[in-house]
Amino acid sequence: AQSVAQPEDQVNVAEGNPLTVKCTYSVSGNPYLFWYVQYPNRGLQFLLKYITGDNLVKGSYGFEAEFNKSQTSFHLKKPSALVSDSALYFCAVRRGGKLIFGQGTTLQVKP
Amino acid sequence: DADVTQTPRNRITKTGKRIMLECSQTKGHDRMYWYRQDPGLGLRLIYYSFDVKDINKGEISDGYSVSRQAQAKFSLSLESAIPNQTALYFCATSKGDAGANVLTFGAGSRLTVL
Repeated sequence: AQSVAQPEDQVNVAEGNPLTVKCTYSVSGNPYLFWYVQYPNRGLQFLLKYITGDNLVKGSYGFEAEFNKSQTSFHLKKPSALVSDSALYFCAVRRGGKLIFGQGTTLQVKP
Repeated sequence: DADVTQTPRNRITKTGKRIMLECSQTKGHDRMYWYRQDPGLGLRLIYYSFDVKDINKGEISDGYSVSRQAQAKFSLSLESAIPNQTALYFCATSKGDAGANVLTFGAGSRLTVL
């Protein structure tokens, strides 16, 4: 069955440094992949998605993600982290017209 | 006003009690979902509804039931709450296929079962 895995519970990065939050997927066929972010005491918000086309997808707040078919990965990236990027990040895959989410990765950006 | 409103936002209850979590939306979306969030487990799909007459079980439907009272309303019920149903519950909506269209989430309902 289609699924995603986020291998890191937490990622720590210094402000101004590049960040990467990892996601791997397991699907049959062409995957529809997503990143959502959850700020404290809020619901999830959409960041970006990959359906087809360019492997590098740009999204909200300066985030981007790279689809890599050979490595079955969809890692979230940002060139320069901000303290305000600290949040819980979820990777998700489409399955049967609905989204199945990964376990989530907490991103901590320190000043 | 929020596009997707969940009530109550926080609820503490006792084992065996019946609990209903309500979700209403002003987005005009046809599809609605209930997810449960637990630390380390991410979001897991409980039930989903693609239209008013369509109800489907998700990954973890045991112990839960739902009602789609109208296009804008989707309620989640715990008939007899148990402590391992303590979690943060999210309602979400989408216009059509969630793979092609963005999910809009409510702010969440935190349930504690003692």
